Amino acid sequence: SAVISQKPSRDICQRGTSLTIQCQVDSQVTMMFWYRQQPGQSLTLIATANQGSEATYESGFVIDKFPISRPNLTFSTLTVSNMSPEDSSIYLCSVGTSGGHQQFFGPGTRLTVL
Amino acid sequence: KQEVTQIPAALSVPEGENLVLNCSFTDSAIYNLQWFRQDPGKGLTSLLLIQSSQREQTSGRLNASLDKSSGRSTLYIAASQPGDSATYLCAVRPSDDYKLSFGAGTTVTVRA
Repeated sequence: SAVISQKPSRDICQRGTSLTIQCQVDSQVTMMFWYRQQPGQSLTLIATANQGSEATYESGFVIDKFPISRPNLTFSTLTVSNMSPEDSSIYLCSVGTSGGHQQFFGPGTRLTVL
Repeated sequence: KQEVTQIPAALSVPEGENLVLNCSFTDSAIYNLQWFRQDPGKGLTSLLLIQSSQREQTSGRLNASLDKSSGRSTLYIAASQPGDSATYLCAVRPSDDYKLSFGAGTTVTVRA
């Protein structure tokens, strides 16, 4: 398994600002994923972030809104840019292990946009 | 596109009762299926992983079965406790990709 930490655990932000969420893993992993969970909804994949390549975004998500960095095999950041109340969600990072056989999730970042 | 459905959406039982949570998926070409637990406002905890070649997995009071051909998985929790109260999510990984498709979850309340 992998131990994953996220910072911040929660934040309340003003409309129009940006927030960067950090994800740290205790071991080297190739695949990292960023998910969004809107209130009362299930998880939606935002993008896949593999080290050494540009992040791959899912339909409905764009790099200008959700820029991602993956500088090494244990760390990634997701920025939520120009926030609106609709961005209020839990944002979760996860990692795939052993060829992606299993995914483990971080504790999540609870974002509220006023 | 894979569709994952979880029934029921919510479940309330008295302590000690056995829980049965259902997950169905539309495309049987899966690599594996995972069951997760999520406490309110928190991240996901992996409970059980079933490979496509397996029929079931067990961990303590938890048992998950998989019938790939019919597109179904069931999570059984024996002798439920108030600490089992949470939302349970199933997620399917397709055989040709690494991206998980999630169900909407079943929210369980175990009454003391």
